[in-house]
Amino acid sequence: DVVMTQSPLSLPVTPGEPASISCRSSQSLLHSNGYTYLNWYLQKSGQSPQLLIYLGSDRVSGVPDKFSGSGSGTDFTLKISRVEAEDVGVYYCMQAVQTPHTFGQGTKLEIK
Amino acid sequence: EVQLVESGGGLVQPGGSLRLSCAASGFSFSSYWMSWVRQAPGKGLEWVANIKQDGSTKNYVDSAKGRFTISRDNAKNSLYLQMNSLRVEDTAVYYCGKDLAPDSNWGALDIWGQGTMVTVSS
Repeated sequence: DVVMTQSPLSLPVTPGEPASISCRSSQSLLHSNGYTYLNWYLQKSGQSPQLLIYLGSDRVSGVPDKFSGSGSGTDFTLKISRVEAEDVGVYYCMQAVQTPHTFGQGTKLEIK
Repeated sequence: EVQLVESGGGLVQPGGSLRLSCAASGFSFSSYWMSWVRQAPGKGLEWVANIKQDGSTKNYVDSAKGRFTISRDNAKNSLYLQMNSLRVEDTAVYYCGKDLAPDSNWGALDIWGQGTMVTVSS
C-alpha cells in the first residue's frame, strides 16, 4: 500500500500569517495517464471532510484562492496564504493512484 | 441540492452484521464512482471501499476484504455496504462520498454524507 506521511502533525499559526503542510508518498502518485492522484481535504470539528484540492493542484469550485496545492511525484505541499480562524481543523492528504486509497495521518491547524 | 444521507449504523456484537445505506439525491448517481470512508473515534480517515458507476469494479482495503461488500442500486440512487464478521476495530463513523467528476476514480470526494456510527461491542 502507498504510505502517506504528513508534517507537521500540529501547526499553530498566527492569524494573517501563511501556513504550509507537507505530504510525502512512498510511491510516485503520477499515473501513466499523466494525472497526479493527490487530494487535500479539510475536516472541521464535528463535520464531514471537505475536498479542497484535487489532482495535486486543482482547487475545488468555491474554495478560496488562498488555498493552493503543489508538488509532483512523491512530494506535495498545501499552502494557505493567510490563515483565518475559519481555517482551523485537520487537513489530510490522500492518494488515489492505486487502491487501497490511503490518507495521511492528518495535520491539526490551530490559531495561536 | 446535491446530497448524500447515510443510515443503518448502530450497536452490534463482535461477529455480527450490519448493512449501511447511502441515499443520493440532486445528481446523476449512475455516472459517478462512489466510496465508503470511515473514521474511528478520535482517529484519522481510512478509505474502505469504492465502486464503479455500473458496479462492475469494486475495490477494498485489506481489512475489509472477505468481510465487507460494497454495492449499488442505480435505479434507487443508493449505495450500500454490507458488513459481516464485524470486529471491535470496525467501530467508526462511516461516510459515503461521491467522486468529483463523472466516470472518474480520482479519489476526489466532493460530496460527503453526514456519517453513520457503527459500534462493535459486547
